[in-house]
Amino acid sequence: AQSVTQLDSQVPVFEEAPVELRCNYSSSVSVYLFWYVQYPNQGLQLLLKYLSGSTLVKGINGFEAEFNKSQTSFHLRKPSVHISDTAEYFCAVSATATGNQFYFGTGTSLTVIP
Amino acid sequence: NAGVTQTPKFRVLKTGQSMTLLCAQDMNHEYMYWYRQDPGMGLRLIHYSVGEGTTAKGEVPDGYNVSRLKKQNFLLGLESAAPSQTSVYFCASRPRDLLKETQYFGPGTRLLVL
Repeated sequence: AQSVTQLDSQVPVFEEAPVELRCNYSSSVSVYLFWYVQYPNQGLQLLLKYLSGSTLVKGINGFEAEFNKSQTSFHLRKPSVHISDTAEYFCAVSATATGNQFYFGTGTSLTVIP
Repeated sequence: NAGVTQTPKFRVLKTGQSMTLLCAQDMNHEYMYWYRQDPGMGLRLIHYSVGEGTTAKGEVPDGYNVSRLKKQNFLLGLESAAPSQTSVYFCASRPRDLLKETQYFGPGTRLLVL
């Protein structure tokens, strides 16, 4: 099975500052990696995904993430955050060969301070 | 195109009562999932289905049953509710080919068991 660790449960950051949300995974097989965002009282929306190819993945709303196989990491970054980025962010992993199940991290609550 | 819908949005149960949560998708997706979300725990997979008439257990299946009699519907049942099942329940669906699309989530069902 796979597992995901999100090292920071809460990240406060000032508006227009850069942010990095950390995600590490554990797996004995090749994986696909995902970042989802959840706004209050809503379901999850896909931000970006790594399936194969370039290790730098760009997503919606100016977010990007870099897959680092040697570090087993998939950190999410944004160079300048907005108030509207305040939300819960989840990292998830799924095995490439038998990708029936997704395993989610415990989430990082991003709060953008005006 | 409504995407993924969940019924009901909110429910209060007494310990020992039963109920069924309905998930419906109109995207002709083969795979459907039920997750529960608890504070500090992220999303945990309860059960999933890879096609009509098939279901499988996820990480936390105890106390729940599911059925997928029609491709577009995935039902989650609680036969005898317990306070530990107080949670927010999310349904998701995706096509068979993960390289084309990822999961789409419903808006969630908040369940309180007294």
